Amino acid sequence: DAGVIQSPRHEVTEMGQEVTLRCKPISGHNSLFWYRQTMMRGLELLIYFNNNVPIDDSGMPEDRFSAKMPNASFSTLKIQPSEPRDSAVYFCASSSDIEQFFGPGTRLTVL
Amino acid sequence: QKEVEQNSGPLSVPEGAIASLNCTYSDRGSQSFFWYRQYSGKSPELIMSIYSNGDKEDGRFTAQLNKASQYVSLLIRDSQPSDSATYLCAALTGNQFYFGTGTSLTVIP
Repeated sequence: DAGVIQSPRHEVTEMGQEVTLRCKPISGHNSLFWYRQTMMRGLELLIYFNNNVPIDDSGMPEDRFSAKMPNASFSTLKIQPSEPRDSAVYFCASSSDIEQFFGPGTRLTVL
Repeated sequence: QKEVEQNSGPLSVPEGAIASLNCTYSDRGSQSFFWYRQYSGKSPELIMSIYSNGDKEDGRFTAQLNKASQYVSLLIRDSQPSDSATYLCAALTGNQFYFGTGTSLTVIP
């Protein structure tokens, strides 16, 4: 299995621009998680989906953040407009029961 | 109070020694616990999961769970320089995963 796939791996953008991060979970996994990791706050759960349905988005910091999962093999996390404080590594993880497997992450830098 | 707390370290041990990493959690309803290893610049990698009181061994790794005291630990025997990484403890409470901020481990050759 290819594991969780994320794209892009690195993104540098300017404040105010829209950013879209993409994730392909492991085939057969029915849960998908989006995390953000910074030195200051560690690993934070933003939102998770079960069977393509958002279950808990209480970790989404602001309305500027939105996530979708149109089908079992694809999810996006969008930030619009982006701000410098959004700079972080964003991880996608998937699971079939309770053990999560992480993708390689997207390192986002907002200038 | 954070759901899951870890000593951020850094923890340094000589090669061949036992490294002991500890984690406490606040919610007695937490039912499953996980240890992830994260190398610098890489993603977290699941190395151990534990669901019941006691010890669980996998190779050089032993996870220990004490629900009465609400702590989880990870022992790494015969530590190797390749074990140098940040170790994240995670707890599953209901449908929510909570991660600690991680303990940085350095194994000195």
